Amino acid sequence: SQKIEQNSEALNIQEGKTATLTCNYTNYSPAYLQWYRQDPGRGPVFLLLIRENEKEKRKERLKVTFDTTLKQSLFHITASQPADSATYLCALVKDTGRRALTFGSGTRLQVQP
Amino acid sequence: DTGVSQDPRHKITKRGQNVTFRCDPISEHNRLYWYRQTLGQGPEFLTYFQNEAQLEKSRLLSDRFSAERPKGSFSTLEIQRTEQGDSAMYLCASSTGLSTPISYNEQFFGPGTRLTVL
Repeated sequence: SQKIEQNSEALNIQEGKTATLTCNYTNYSPAYLQWYRQDPGRGPVFLLLIRENEKEKRKERLKVTFDTTLKQSLFHITASQPADSATYLCALVKDTGRRALTFGSGTRLQVQP
Repeated sequence: DTGVSQDPRHKITKRGQNVTFRCDPISEHNRLYWYRQTLGQGPEFLTYFQNEAQLEKSRLLSDRFSAERPKGSFSTLEIQRTEQGDSAMYLCASSTGLSTPISYNEQFFGPGTRLTVL
């Protein structure tokens, strides 16, 4: 069966450190993968998209990697801040040409001051 | 505010009642999506419109659920004969389909409607 797995346990790190979140998937061949941020009681907010032919994508303090062999994406936040505390969701489409996103369950990040 | 808006933000209803939610997407977006999210889970896809055409429906969308987008602008999601298991956050999202590569699909989400069925 198709699965998207994110670490369900919260990740607690100290301010200034790099946070690394993992997204693993099975039985998908996604053309791209997306990462979203979600704060409590709010809708997800798009952060980054990485295509299958891209190994790495950066945006300010954010970096995403995509390994289609390992079927894994890593999401990094460098120089983390308490304001980065949120749930981070990875998402992909099941099949090329489809539009609906399938989300992982998300990983909650807590950055301690 | 030019983002996606949803109304109401909260809805409490008794089991068996019908409820309707509204979503207003970003004005130039022709794609609109409905998702459902329960506590501790990621959003689950319900249905997708391109303009007024409903192009995808999830198996989660039972006969009690119906969605419309009559003029290709706002959309409504109706749940008939609500059940306690319908309690969730209902999220609407929109994306542009204009001149974008088929693989590009950034979605903009609204704040959601939290439904509680008693």
